[in-house]
Amino acid sequence: DGGITQSPKYLFRKEGQNVTLSCEQNLNHDAMYWYRQDPGQGLRLIYYSQIVNDFQKGDIAEGYSVSREKKESFPLTVTSAQKNPTAFYLCASSRDRAGTNEKLFFGSGTQLSVL
Amino acid sequence: SQKIEQNSEALNIQEGKTATLTCNYTNYSPAYLQWYRQDPGRGPVFLLLIRENEKEKRKERLKVTFDTTLKQSLFHITASQPADSATYLCALPASGGSYIPTFGRGTSLIVHP
Repeated sequence: DGGITQSPKYLFRKEGQNVTLSCEQNLNHDAMYWYRQDPGQGLRLIYYSQIVNDFQKGDIAEGYSVSREKKESFPLTVTSAQKNPTAFYLCASSRDRAGTNEKLFFGSGTQLSVL
Repeated sequence: SQKIEQNSEALNIQEGKTATLTCNYTNYSPAYLQWYRQDPGRGPVFLLLIRENEKEKRKERLKVTFDTTLKQSLFHITASQPADSATYLCALPASGGSYIPTFGRGTSLIVHP
């Protein structure tokens, strides 16, 4: 089945540690996105990528980094500079670049907590 | 700046009734609006997209309206069922050139049997 796979489902981060969240898609989509969701809050955009080897900062990029070396993969690293990382992280993709009425396909999310 | 408002209070209704959820926005004139469903601990799932030149869109028991004068979209679920219980999010393309979908905080719908 085609879709987006996020792993792990649950992740714990120690003080000062960098952690990487995985996101893989087999939909052959060009664009991929990372959102953060806090309880009772809307989704906030962290980073997005419209094409391989290119990505742009979203509204809350500080303390995060990404790479897009392959079309299928868009991993997110939560660095030690992110002081409040506890949240539900959602990866999404769309067939074409944003602005073309494209719907987003989401993964099942990663819950990150601080030890 | 662009703002999307959805009722933060949960909507409780009886099975079989019509649920109506509201999405209001300010400081923007979007070309389209989307609605998603999110279950606890899961990612959102796309439901419907309505364009600025469309007044109404239907899909099975779902109906969406888009009033660009009022800057409001209404999302209706007719003959609601307990399985419709979830959080419903509206999304608009961001202003400023990126057009990346920007989400409201969502409204929780609880359908009682």
